[in-house]
Amino acid sequence: DAMVIQNPRYQVTQFGKPVTLSCSQTLNHNVMYWYQQKSSQAPKLLFHYYDKDFNNEADTPDNFQSRRPNTSFCFLDIRSPGLGDAAMYLCATSRDRSGSKTYNEQFFGPGTRLTVL
Amino acid sequence: AQKVTQAQTEISVVEKEDVTLDCVYETRDTTYYLFWYKQPPSGELVFLIRRNSFDEQNEISGRYSWNFQKSTSSFNFTITASQVVDSAVYFCALSEPYSGGGADGLTFGKGTHLIIQP
Repeated sequence: DAMVIQNPRYQVTQFGKPVTLSCSQTLNHNVMYWYQQKSSQAPKLLFHYYDKDFNNEADTPDNFQSRRPNTSFCFLDIRSPGLGDAAMYLCATSRDRSGSKTYNEQFFGPGTRLTVL
Repeated sequence: AQKVTQAQTEISVVEKEDVTLDCVYETRDTTYYLFWYKQPPSGELVFLIRRNSFDEQNEISGRYSWNFQKSTSSFNFTITASQVVDSAVYFCALSEPYSGGGADGLTFGKGTHLIIQP
């Protein structure tokens, strides 16, 4: 089945140790998103890729970076994780950006739960 | 700026009761999209419904129904005859059309934790 896959499902890292989360999709969608969801909070958009075009949210910390080497894969790099970065990280895809007449649904992966020790 | 408010942090009802989850939104766009997602303890976001701003028809899907009212900027979600399996966190979300410079993602409310007791 076509889907959005996130690996690993659970990731433990140490304070300050770089960590990379992975997302892949078999939907051949143009847009890929990363959301951060802290405990008991709403998911918050960090950035998105439209094809190879990277779009950062204004309040996303510099500590968070992303790479999209090809259509199928997108990575979230946290350069120096702090305790406050412990969260669920959700990847989503959509076929295209939404316009005024059409919406392109976002498909979410199962998430990676990051623990920072 | 867009904003979604879910004033109910937690709701607890007994199985078979009806329950309504409230959602109020703010947006400057005349075209926008509203959503409800369910998040069970496993963490995955499960899509329930999307409603376009230019379509104010209410919708019913089995025990689920949604009431979209532009006049009050609300998009409420009702579960009829609730079941234990309905226990989850429910998020209301808003998306605006991509405008070239702004965000192209979903803005979520803080969620309502629904507990259905047997």
